[in-house]
Amino acid sequence: DAKTTQPNSMESNEEEPVHLPCNHSTISGTDYIHWYRQLPSQGPEYVIHGLTSNVNNRMASLAIAEDRKSSTLILHRATLRDAAVYYCILLSGGSNYKLTFGKGTLLTVNP
Amino acid sequence: NAGVTQTPKFQVLKTGQSMTLQCAQDMNHEYMSWYRQDPGMGLRLIHYSVGAGITDQGEVPNGYNVSRSTTEDFPLRLLSAAPSQTSVYFCASSYSRTGGQPQHFGDGTRLSIL
Repeated sequence: DAKTTQPNSMESNEEEPVHLPCNHSTISGTDYIHWYRQLPSQGPEYVIHGLTSNVNNRMASLAIAEDRKSSTLILHRATLRDAAVYYCILLSGGSNYKLTFGKGTLLTVNP
Repeated sequence: NAGVTQTPKFQVLKTGQSMTLQCAQDMNHEYMSWYRQDPGMGLRLIHYSVGAGITDQGEVPNGYNVSRSTTEDFPLRLLSAAPSQTSVYFCASSYSRTGGQPQHFGDGTRLSIL
């Protein structure tokens, strides 16, 4: 399985942008880059995903390096509700369609 | 819209008892799956289904059974509960089993086995 590497923890201040990095140097051509987050005592929540191009949605932006070996999840203005564990996961289809959750990045947002 | 609904939210069992964790989705999703999450660990896949009548094993299937008689429902059965099955269980669904399809999770069932 292709693996991802994320920092164990990051800290941000409220209303400031947050850039969460992820390295995936062994990514294959069919792997999509997915981001999920998990708030305390809740199930994982889908944030965003992409294949090659940068993506934006109402929650966040995803910046993908040209060689696809790294990506960055961008929260444009962090709020206290964004404090969670963020998981960067590679996902391909068919028999390999399986979310493998690592330890993720624990994001702390300071008021 | 309800999304993925799991019941019950909490359950305490005695060793050897059986029970069924319920999962239902109202999004007409083809793919459904069950994960367990233990303290300090990531989620691990138990069983999954790619459509009604089709199920398969994930990473940690021992001690669990599943069936998929309808598109909407994917119950997880513990046949004879053991303390090692104390965990938080999450059900997830997606439109199809392609890499560009995200999975949507329920709020989980917190299960304690004494």
